[in-house]
Amino acid sequence: DIQLTQSPSFLSASVGDRVTITCRASQGISSYLAWYQQKPGKAPKLLIYAASTLQSGVPSRFSGSGSGTEFTLTISSLQPEDFATYYCQQLNSYHPFGGGTKVEIK
Amino acid sequence: QVQLVQSGAEVKKPGASVKVSCKASGYTFTSYGISWVRQAPGQGLEWMGWISAYNGNTNYAQKLQGRVTMTTDTSTSTAYMELRSLRSDDTAVYYCARSDPRGHNDYWGQGTLVTVSS
Repeated sequence: DIQLTQSPSFLSASVGDRVTITCRASQGISSYLAWYQQKPGKAPKLLIYAASTLQSGVPSRFSGSGSGTEFTLTISSLQPEDFATYYCQQLNSYHPFGGGTKVEIK
Repeated sequence: QVQLVQSGAEVKKPGASVKVSCKASGYTFTSYGISWVRQAPGQGLEWMGWISAYNGNTNYAQKLQGRVTMTTDTSTSTAYMELRSLRSDDTAVYYCARSDPRGHNDYWGQGTLVTVSS
């Protein structure tokens, strides 16, 4: 099975910071990757699909890149509403999630 | 607007089964799949599997093979997830999500808490 490893698992940042989260796949998955944001007590929200396509309605400060085994989610200028947990998900065959990255206020 | 409305919370004893429903509206049900994802308390997201609402094809997480069954009723635009032989570590919030043909999950239900306790 393909495993996804996210790093870091936790990061502390300030409003306005540029934040980058990495997701590594144990095997190549082309661009079959999505990113989600989840806030406490809420369902996940789709941010990015096909590794780099921004979901409709998602602010442009979110961007995704990568292909094969290494992917990144970047928030160009962190806003107060962005403090949440972020997950990657591979969409090649089975669809496991990465372990998550919790973004907290510094 | 697209909506997925799930059934209410359940409390089950170990060894029992649970069946969670997910009623879809606002789109052509058979043009998308439905994925099921669960989240144990304080833990991350776990993909459970997927079903095509078009033809009923399924793809289950290997860990749950033999214990989970996903079905759809196209007459009511409702998806179902049944989990059998429940254990305490099946306690979680269970989510359904609409799966785009490209695989990503763009709309989610509100979640259903399933508690397994003796």
